[in-house]
Amino acid sequence: EDKVVQSPLSLVVHEGDTVTLNCSYEVTNFRSLLWYKQEKKAPTFLFMLTSSGIEKKSGRLSSILDKKELFSILNITATQTGDSAVYLCAVGPGTYKYIFGTGTRLKVLA
Amino acid sequence: GAVVSQHPSRVICKSGTSVKIECRSLDFQATTMFWYRQFPKQSLMLMATSNEGSKATYEQGVEKDKFLINHASLTLSTLTVTSAHPEDSSFYICSARVVEETQYFGPGTRLLVL
Repeated sequence: EDKVVQSPLSLVVHEGDTVTLNCSYEVTNFRSLLWYKQEKKAPTFLFMLTSSGIEKKSGRLSSILDKKELFSILNITATQTGDSAVYLCAVGPGTYKYIFGTGTRLKVLA
Repeated sequence: GAVVSQHPSRVICKSGTSVKIECRSLDFQATTMFWYRQFPKQSLMLMATSNEGSKATYEQGVEKDKFLINHASLTLSTLTVTSAHPEDSSFYICSARVVEETQYFGPGTRLLVL
């Protein structure tokens, strides 16, 4: 059975801290892994990863995929209160469907 | 990025009635749209994959007669919750596949069945 597991489930940090969110997966016919940020409504797209070892970066956020060990990490440096959200990891198992992880709920305190 | 809209954003209905939710791709054509359901503080659960011009593909455990999906055009997919019950109350989100594996989500519809 395909599954995506995220850790930690929740995290509380102070502004300026750096956080690392984890996503591990077991799926057949892996195509891609996607990271989303969900605040109050629908998720917003952050990154798509398809190749191992290539870091994707956007401002203070970065992500990398390890296809051998079947996981990805999402790093956020110099966190701000606006980073508070649920971060979702989704894996596409090859049929254009996406399996979502449980999400990591991040709270950044001022 | 690509824009996906949903209507209505929230709806309250009586038990036994049917509710239709629309999902539109505003600035692109989407041959494939997805419908998700999300319970409070839980992740997105894929309900079905909607393909333009053909029948939707439902995930295991999702009743196709209960959740009717129609994808009649390249910019519109609809989800109809038939004979809604309180346990159908949830947050329903659609998404459209743009290029490769990227999908963009609509803002979601919060359904409350009394």
